Amino acid sequence: DGGITQSPKYLFRKEGQNVTLSCEQNLNHDAMYWYRQDPGQGLRLIYYSQIVNDFQKGDIAEGYSVSREKKESFPLTVTSAQKNPTAFYLCASSIEKGASPLHFGNGTRLTVT
Amino acid sequence: GENVEQHPSTLSVQEGDSAVIKCTYSDSASNYFPWYKQELGKRPQLIIDIRSNVGEKKDQRIAVTLNKTAKHFSLHITETQPEDSAVYFCAASGGQAGTALIFGKGTTLSVSS
Repeated sequence: DGGITQSPKYLFRKEGQNVTLSCEQNLNHDAMYWYRQDPGQGLRLIYYSQIVNDFQKGDIAEGYSVSREKKESFPLTVTSAQKNPTAFYLCASSIEKGASPLHFGNGTRLTVT
Repeated sequence: GENVEQHPSTLSVQEGDSAVIKCTYSDSASNYFPWYKQELGKRPQLIIDIRSNVGEKKDQRIAVTLNKTAKHFSLHITETQPEDSAVYFCAASGGQAGTALIFGKGTTLSVSS
């Protein structure tokens, strides 16, 4: 939807396992972002990338990793080091870094037990 | 880095009343201030945005005001309708080249008929 595809919609994993969330965009946007949403916490920035092969940590990057090998793709890996991984994860893109509107995907709800 | 505070966390109004949500930001160099609406189970959608060279912007029943001196901006919804019920997020960015949007924690607006 809206040019940004996140998959899967729901994901279940056992504690201690790494898991990768997919995010693909066909909007030809340079910048891509990952946010985590928890009830009452708003959207918190995990990682963002302004260009292929480059990315920056956000406010809550610990326990997460990303790659940006292609302009269209920005996968997020939730590692076993993330202490509270159960959350709703939103991927977004924008035409340019920083001061431009974000286009969000539909999100992936990750449950770790 | 940027910090965005949003108030109130919940807001209940009667249909037809006005609703106001306020946000403050910390980075005086920030220059882009969007507002997003998120309905239950859906992705956030941009409803209006304002840049630092403008003091007010209006789109039908929605308006945003910006006070750069005080570092705060507000969302005003007039003639509220039940379909306005949602979570609203403010955000700020642009303080430094390449910074990503930082969001407030959200306001849950309930409009009763």
